[in-house]
Amino acid sequence: QKEVEQDPGPLSVPEGAIVSLNCTYSNSAFQYFMWYRQYSRKGPELLMYTYSSGNKEDGRFTAQVDKSSKYISLFIRDSQPSDSATYLCAMRLSDSWGKLQFGAGTQVVVTP
Amino acid sequence: DTGVSQDPRHKITKRGQNVTFRCDPISEHNRLYWYRQTLGQGPEFLTYFQNEAQLEKSRLLSDRFSAERPKGSFSTLEIQRTEQGDSAMYLCASSSSYPLDRSQGSGANVLTFGAGSRLTVL
Repeated sequence: QKEVEQDPGPLSVPEGAIVSLNCTYSNSAFQYFMWYRQYSRKGPELLMYTYSSGNKEDGRFTAQVDKSSKYISLFIRDSQPSDSATYLCAMRLSDSWGKLQFGAGTQVVVTP
Repeated sequence: DTGVSQDPRHKITKRGQNVTFRCDPISEHNRLYWYRQTLGQGPEFLTYFQNEAQLEKSRLLSDRFSAERPKGSFSTLEIQRTEQGDSAMYLCASSSSYPLDRSQGSGANVLTFGAGSRLTVL
């Protein structure tokens, strides 16, 4: 079993809808949680970064971390066709600077 | 600064050949990382440097793989005697050891990735 599980999709939504993405993980020691967006044949681009449990909002994006359930979520409001990409969750231990554990990524398609 | 640069963007080679990838990090970043990503999977950690010191290596990094970061600036990843299973996207990332956002507490070490170098082994 992988340390980080993420539904690969594809997830298809109409323009303007809310996109809901999530990951579950098994290592309760993870402290830092990230969401990356990756367009085809490009490197991952950081969207959201949170420490421990709680919510964080940035424009149309909201990230939630529930450490008690070992579950993290990303919500995208008012989705646009330009949001069509693969979304990767990632997480790391507090003392493991660059060793991120990624999910497999969820492909999102926003249709006009 | 144009971000993290990787070269070449795509390399096609025959099995058994050696290949080398180069990464130029963001200039003020002292940490540099290599990841590998195969189709339909998330990136997997390979190794990381702080300045010129290689501080951690994954078990994925077999003895055919070697990474260097002379003088703590650019880095190279060499794969010797390539195998078809080495076909993947090799991603480089860099970060600063100083937190991006101090309100997040110590250790807020945010990675910026390059566009990757795609390797195809025939």
